[in-house]
Parts: sequence; structure tokens; C-alpha cells
Amino acid sequence: SFVLTQPPAVSVAPGKTATIACETERIGRKHVHWYQQRPGQTPVLVVYDDSVRPSGIPTRFSGSNSGNTASLYISRVEVGDEADYYCQVWDSNSDFPVFGGGTRLTVL
Amino acid sequence: EVLLVESGGDLVKPGRSLRLSCRTSGFKFRDFAMSWLRQAPGKGLEWVGFVRSKDWGGATSYAASVKGRFSISRDDSASMVYLQMNSLKIEDTAVYYCARAAYSETINFDSWGLGALVTVSS
Repeated sequence: SFVLTQPPAVSVAPGKTATIACETERIGRKHVHWYQQRPGQTPVLVVYDDSVRPSGIPTRFSGSNSGNTASLYISRVEVGDEADYYCQVWDSNSDFPVFGGGTRLTVL
Repeated sequence: EVLLVESGGDLVKPGRSLRLSCRTSGFKFRDFAMSWLRQAPGKGLEWVGFVRSKDWGGATSYAASVKGRFSISRDDSASMVYLQMNSLKIEDTAVYYCARAAYSETINFDSWGLGALVTVSS
């Protein structure tokens, strides 16, 4: 199995772009999904397959994946984007999902 | 609209059993794999287990932390999925989420319920 490493916290000013990283060896060969969990709420899928937005997710959310790092980008950050963000990958060897530890996004 | 609603959360003593239910609507339940995930207080997301659709054999798989104690079942006629939890431990205390597993390039969880709180304490 493998571990997905995320920074515990990221801070960004309103209107700027937030970048949240998810790292493991050769993650670029895997498909990464991202979830947003606002305080006290249920998780919501915001990006899947590295860079695809589900219906209803604003275009401000995007993703990339290459080498050892996958990234979630949130452009024109709003106060309402304050949340915990989790990356997830499916481990095909063990046939179960692996989650990152989560990143708390604070909008200054 | 896809809806998932968990029920059955409770306060139980260590070693006891509890069954959670997840009622679903708004999609063709039989076509989807379903999963249970949990989140301990102040902690991150943890996958608990998974039941595939009948077309994929209805097989189940579980995280090592619950294997042998928890079991997942589904009732396609009622669009329900269940989590039977036996030999509960204090560390099983968490909010338990039912989630729909969607197949894209790999599996992601595209719809989640609101969660059911399970507290294991003496």
C-alpha cells in the first residue's frame, strides 16, 4: 500500500488562488479524486480523475497530477471555500481506496 | 436527486453490536457499488468497506481495522445498504457515512449521506 501526504493547513487571501498538494511516489500514474468537507458538513466530491469537475462544481475548482504530486487549485478563493480538503486514490493492488490526511484551507 | 440517509447510530458499550442502515433514492441502486466510510472526532476520512453491485458479483471488501467484525449487505429491492458492526471497540467511535461508489477511471465516492454517529463507550 502507499500513503498520501497532504499539508495539514493552507492559508490564502480572498480572491487569490489556493493550491493543495497530495503526494506519493508516482502518483501521476494514478487517478486522484478530491473532496471538500465544510465544517460540520458531509464531504462533497469536487474533482475526480485528476481534473474533472462533477456537475454543479464551480469552474474555480481544478486539478492536475504529474510525477509525485497531484494538486487541487481553487481560484478566486471565497470565504465559503474554507473547508477540509481530502485527496483519494484507488489502490488497485489491494482493491481499496486510500485517503490523504486532509488539508484545512483557511481564507485570511 | 440522489439521496442517501443513514440511520441506526447510537451509544453502545464496548463488545456490543449495532446495525446501521442507509436508505437511498434518486438513482438505479442495483447498478452501483456502495460503501461505508467513517470519521472519528476531529480526524480524517477512513474507508470502512464496500459492496459491489450484483452485476459484479456483489462481493464485499473491508478495511483491515474492521475486517472480521463488520459486514456490509445490500437489498436491491429496497435500495438499502447495511453495516453490521460486531465486537465494537472504543476506537470505532465515529460518524459513519454511506456513499455511492462511482466508476470513472477508478472508483470515487460521488454522493454521501449526512452520516450517523456511533459512540462506543462504557
